[in-house]
Amino acid sequence: KQEVTQIPAALSVPEGENLVLNCSFTDSAIYNLQWFRQDPGKGLTSLLLIQSSQREQTSGRLNASLDKSSGRSTLYIAASQPGDSATYLCAASGYSTLTFGKGTMLLVSP
Amino acid sequence: GAVVSQHPSRVICKSGTSVKIECRSLDFQATTMFWYRQFPKQSLMLMATSNEGSKATYEQGVEKDKFLINHASLTLSTLTVTSAHPEDSSFYICSARSGVNYNEQFFGPGTRLTVL
Repeated sequence: KQEVTQIPAALSVPEGENLVLNCSFTDSAIYNLQWFRQDPGKGLTSLLLIQSSQREQTSGRLNASLDKSSGRSTLYIAASQPGDSATYLCAASGYSTLTFGKGTMLLVSP
Repeated sequence: GAVVSQHPSRVICKSGTSVKIECRSLDFQATTMFWYRQFPKQSLMLMATSNEGSKATYEQGVEKDKFLINHASLTLSTLTVTSAHPEDSSFYICSARSGVNYNEQFFGPGTRLTVL
């Protein structure tokens, strides 16, 4: 059974810092790895999806990497802003289901 | 593209009543829809998977008689919480997957259920 772990559980940084969120998964037989953003009381916003054959994906200030063999993915946020404050979830995709981590709650202070 | 809506966004009901939540794919046909539940500060937990025109597949520990799922068309799935109790209060999120990109799910905005 796939298990997804995210470290740290919470992170507080001053505006402008670059930061890295970590995600690990136990079963490397995944189809893709996806990063989501969730604001309090809201649904999920898809940020980046990395196919199993890819090593990384970039969107603006966000860069996600994937190392299937070691069961790890990272989300790099450059030049963080207060608007980046949210919970970030990673999810590993099996044949037909997604397994989510518990998320990293990020707070970027002005 | 790939927009999924949920209705209602928020519902408060009395204990013992039933509540229906709708999940719609607005611009694509969803061959499969998923229902998740999220408790505060917890991750999303898959409750059930539904394919259009067939019975839903429930995850272990999810009562199928309590959480009724109907996927009657390629754009609509409904989740009915029957005889709701306060412990059913949670955030319910649906997702939909098309037959084109089998490995990507598109998520709805969620429904906050509060049972008094």
